[in-house]
Amino acid sequence: NAGVTQTPKFRVLKTGQSMTLLCAQDMNHEYMYWYRQDPGMGLRLIHYSVGEGTTAKGEVPDGYNVSRLKKQNFLLGLESAAPSQTSVYFCASSYSAYSYEQYFGPGTRLTVT
Amino acid sequence: GNSVTQMEGPVTLSEEAFLTINCTYTATGYPSLFWYVQYPGEGLQLLLKATKADDKGSNKGFEATYRKETTSFHLEKGSVQVSDSAVYFCALILNTGNQFYFGTGTSLTVIP
Repeated sequence: NAGVTQTPKFRVLKTGQSMTLLCAQDMNHEYMYWYRQDPGMGLRLIHYSVGEGTTAKGEVPDGYNVSRLKKQNFLLGLESAAPSQTSVYFCASSYSAYSYEQYFGPGTRLTVT
Repeated sequence: GNSVTQMEGPVTLSEEAFLTINCTYTATGYPSLFWYVQYPGEGLQLLLKATKADDKGSNKGFEATYRKETTSFHLEKGSVQVSDSAVYFCALILNTGNQFYFGTGTSLTVIP
C-alpha cells in the first residue's frame, strides 16, 4: 500500500515549456486534490475531483489544467510555464469530503526560470 | 466566506515547554476542524480532528477543542520534544462542501 505518490519529485522548466505532474493513489479514494504551497501562503487549492471523469476549479486554477481519466490518477498540467508557477505542488486524496482526512503525497518541487 | 487564521510563527521553544498555537476560523456553514503537521521535506499528515462543537481531538500528546462560541480550535501540548519540530496547519471543511481551507501554517522549532 503506497498511499499517494507523485511524479516527478523535482523539475526545472524554462518559461513557456509544458509539463504534466502525475498523482496516483491506491486507496480507492473518490476525491483527489492538487495544491500549491508557497512561503507565507499556506496551501492553496488549484483543482480537485470528486470522482472519475469529473474535475472542478479551486482557488487558484489559472494556468493549470487537470484530468481524472482513471479513479486512481489525477494529472496536473502546465501548458506554458511561468516563473509565478515556481512552487511546491502537493496532491491529496480522501474517501469523502466532510469529516474525512486527506492523505498527502510527498510533493513536487517545480522551478520555472 | 470561509477562512482559517493561525498565529504567525516561527515559534521557538525549549524542550518540555508548553505549546499553544492559536487557530480561529470563519465558516458559512458547519465545519469539521483539523490540525495537520508537515515535517521537513514531507507532505502533510493528519494530526487530529474534531467534527462537532465541544469535541476534543487528541493524538501524540497534542490536543485541540472545537469551540463554536469563539470559533477557535487551538492546538496545545503540555511538553514538547525536539521531534515535534515541524510546520502545523489548521484546516476546515464544511459539511456541505468539497474543499478544505488551510491556514498559512505555523513553524515550530524545539531546541534541546
